[in-house]
Amino acid sequence: GAVVSQHPSWVICKSGTSVKIECRSLDFQATTMFWYRQFPKQSLMLMATSNEGSKATYEQGVEKDKFLINHASLTLSTLTVTSAHPEDSSFYICSARDPMGPPLSAFFGQGTRLTVV
Amino acid sequence: GENVEQHPSTLSVQEGDSAVIKCTYSDSASNYFPWYKQELGKGPQLIIDIRSNVGEKKDQRIAVTLNKTAKHFSLHITETQPEDSAVYFCAARMNRDDKIIFGKGTRLHILP
Repeated sequence: GAVVSQHPSWVICKSGTSVKIECRSLDFQATTMFWYRQFPKQSLMLMATSNEGSKATYEQGVEKDKFLINHASLTLSTLTVTSAHPEDSSFYICSARDPMGPPLSAFFGQGTRLTVV
Repeated sequence: GENVEQHPSTLSVQEGDSAVIKCTYSDSASNYFPWYKQELGKGPQLIIDIRSNVGEKKDQRIAVTLNKTAKHFSLHITETQPEDSAVYFCAARMNRDDKIIFGKGTRLHILP
């Protein structure tokens, strides 16, 4: 099946700094990617929809100035957590749909564990 | 928007027995219902899915049923094995916006 890759798989950063997470579709082009956030022992919460060549669409309650999303190419979307604080520590997961693959199916990356100290 | 409820939150099953996880959804426009398995520290992995024009789908030990009228769908795992221990998420997707909304998850423990 289609492969979605995230980098890094884990990152530790100091409070107040910014960190960038990459999401790549390895063998297909994705016009749309999705970013999720997962706290320990909780479900995946959709943060935003990343659209290639246009602005991301954020879910209610998600600060767009804090979670910057850039989808500059058909195979790469990035999520930048700006001025990170300990409460931003979480598991961030992206997903993408292969438009040439089975309709409606989505594939997920392996996730990025962010720890802000 | 869509809301997905999932039960139970935790399930312990003797190895070899069957496990059933149930979900309900709120938006009748949802037309795709995937199930994901997530192991510790990893992203969700699609294990089976069902579209709204189908009532049941089976893949070896895993089956999913869908009742569109009642807006609920279930995951059935037969002959459970230790490697089935994980967190399972149901989800629903609406065709109009492509978003996948997850249930809260079920932590499945397979007891030896």
